[in-house]
Amino acid sequence: GQQVMQIPQYQHVQEGEDFTTYCNSSTTLSNIQWYKQRPGGHPVFLIQLVKSGEVKKQKRLTFQFGEAKKNSSLHITATQTTDVGTYFCAYSSNTGKLIFGQGTTLQVKP
Amino acid sequence: EAGVTQSPTHLIKTRGQQATLRCSPISGHTSVYWYQQALGLGLQFLLWYDEGEERNRGNFPPRFSGRQFPNYSSELNVNALELEDSALYLCASSLDPIQWNEQYFGPGTRLTVT
Repeated sequence: GQQVMQIPQYQHVQEGEDFTTYCNSSTTLSNIQWYKQRPGGHPVFLIQLVKSGEVKKQKRLTFQFGEAKKNSSLHITATQTTDVGTYFCAYSSNTGKLIFGQGTTLQVKP
Repeated sequence: EAGVTQSPTHLIKTRGQQATLRCSPISGHTSVYWYQQALGLGLQFLLWYDEGEERNRGNFPPRFSGRQFPNYSSELNVNALELEDSALYLCASSLDPIQWNEQYFGPGTRLTVT
């Protein structure tokens, strides 16, 4: 079945630096969702994108859905220690199943 | 509004035993999903229940099963436990499984098989 590949798997940044994680699919996706899981916590829904080329912002976070709806990115500007965690992309199949990428774990050095 | 709740928080079993994990969705949500998150790995889809019926299951053996009750709470049963079943089991619920599949996760049950 369809899969989404996330890169990078790990990212270490200095506090204040920017961070980007990418989610790629070989086939067109109907939607893409992003979740954040803090260390020791559970995934928390961040956002859903459904339109080609869609861009949404949440404070320092910018989410994009590619024009071909095959890729997505999450960009964090000026990272803070509170941004530490694993960021997952996921898409909802037409059978209701949510398929997750492997996640990008972000470490922020103060 | 109460979130998704799961019990127990931790569960320790020995190989060959059976484990039962429980989940209560957000009030008004009819869909419940179960995921397995082994250490250092992503979320692997296990089961999806909606309106009391199993709608879909992931690539797991039949000893992983469950059910959804009339009040939409759900149970995950794992029979003949194996060491590799040790993982965090997450339950999630959603309002509309097809149109808008935003899922709300519970805190999880940490299952340890020794």
